Parts: sequence; structure tokens; C-alpha cells
Amino acid sequence: AQSVSQHNHHVILSEAASLELGCNYSYGGTVNLFWYVQYPGQHLQLLLKYFSGDPLVKGIKGFEAEFIKSKFSFNLRKPSVQWSDTAEYFCAVKDGNNRKLIWGLGTSLAVNP
Amino acid sequence: DGGITQSPKYLFRKEGQNVTLSCEQNLNHDAMYWYRQDPGQGLRLIYYSQIVNDFQKGDIAEGYSVSREKKESFPLTVTSAQKNPTAFYLCASKLEGSYEQYFGPGTRLTVT
Repeated sequence: AQSVSQHNHHVILSEAASLELGCNYSYGGTVNLFWYVQYPGQHLQLLLKYFSGDPLVKGIKGFEAEFIKSKFSFNLRKPSVQWSDTAEYFCAVKDGNNRKLIWGLGTSLAVNP
Repeated sequence: DGGITQSPKYLFRKEGQNVTLSCEQNLNHDAMYWYRQDPGQGLRLIYYSQIVNDFQKGDIAEGYSVSREKKESFPLTVTSAQKNPTAFYLCASKLEGSYEQYFGPGTRLTVT
């Protein structure tokens, strides 16, 4: 069965530190990849997505993610985090045949001011 | 103002009672989803519906039921058969042909 693995469950950073959250998936065919974010008290919302083309995807609020097909990875990055980036981050994958998203367990990010 | 509404935000029930969580969307989306979110367990799919009057079980459907009589509405009933119903429930919707799911604010259900 397909699976999505997020390696970091809890991350604590200071403001201005760089961020990289890992995401690996198990499906070997064509995939669509997503990062969603859930800020405290807010709706889960889409941060960025990859369907095809340039494997480096830019999202909202300065986030980016790189799709590396050979590594089955879609890691999320931000060069300099802010306190307002404190949130829970979810990686999700949809394969070509499936109508459902497969979700990672999430990574809780706390940024200290 | 388009979006997904879930009501109520907090819900308390006694063990053994069925409870229905509301989800309404005015985005004209075709597909709707119910997820359960527990700490450290990510989002788990309970039920989903691609069109009116049709729905499919997700990964953890036992103890839950749904209906899709209208395009805008996808209520979830948590029955007394659900062994561990206390959780945060999220409803989402998606336009046919798109892959982005839009989420509601969630309902936190506590059963004692």
C-alpha cells in the first residue's frame, strides 16, 4: 500500500533559522504532491503543490519544495523562518489511479522569537 | 463569501449516543471528504463522496455513516459503534478535475 513518511514529528527553531521538512512516499508511478499547513486555530490550507514540470516548486509565504523522483522525496524548505510559521505541516500524495490523498502524519513546527 | 462551514465548533456527547456533524459548502464543488485528525496520526479518511447520492468508505469508516442528498451538504454521523469517537473532524471539498482540497474549520467532538 502507498504510504507517506514525514521524518520529523516535532521541530523547534529560532527565528531566521533555515527549515527543511522531509517527506518521502512509496508510490513509483506518476504522482501529485502537496504540502498543507495548519496554523493554530485556522483551517488547513494548501502551501504548495507539484504536478509536473519544474521540480522546484514555490509556494506561499516564501516556502518552496523540491521533487526528487529518484529519492521519492518532496522536502519542504524555507531559508529563514519567522515566528508566524509556527504551525503543523502535512505532506500528501496522490497517485495517478487513486482518487484519494495519502497523508503523512504531520510535523509540528515551533519557531521561537 | 465562499467556503466550507462546519458546525458546531465544539460538541460534547455522552457515550452511547449518536451524533451528527454538519458540513456545508457553497463552492459548487463536486467531491466532499470527511477526515479524522488525532495528535501524531495525521489525517485519516473516513468517507468521501464524488457526486450526489454516492459515497465510498475511506480507511476508517467503521462506526461512521454519511449521506449526500445535496451537492452542498455532507453530514457525518458518529454512531455509538465507534469505539474511540473523541477527535477533531475535518470536512473538505474539491472541484472535479482539480486535486486541491479545501478544508473547513473542523469540529472537535468529545465523548464522555
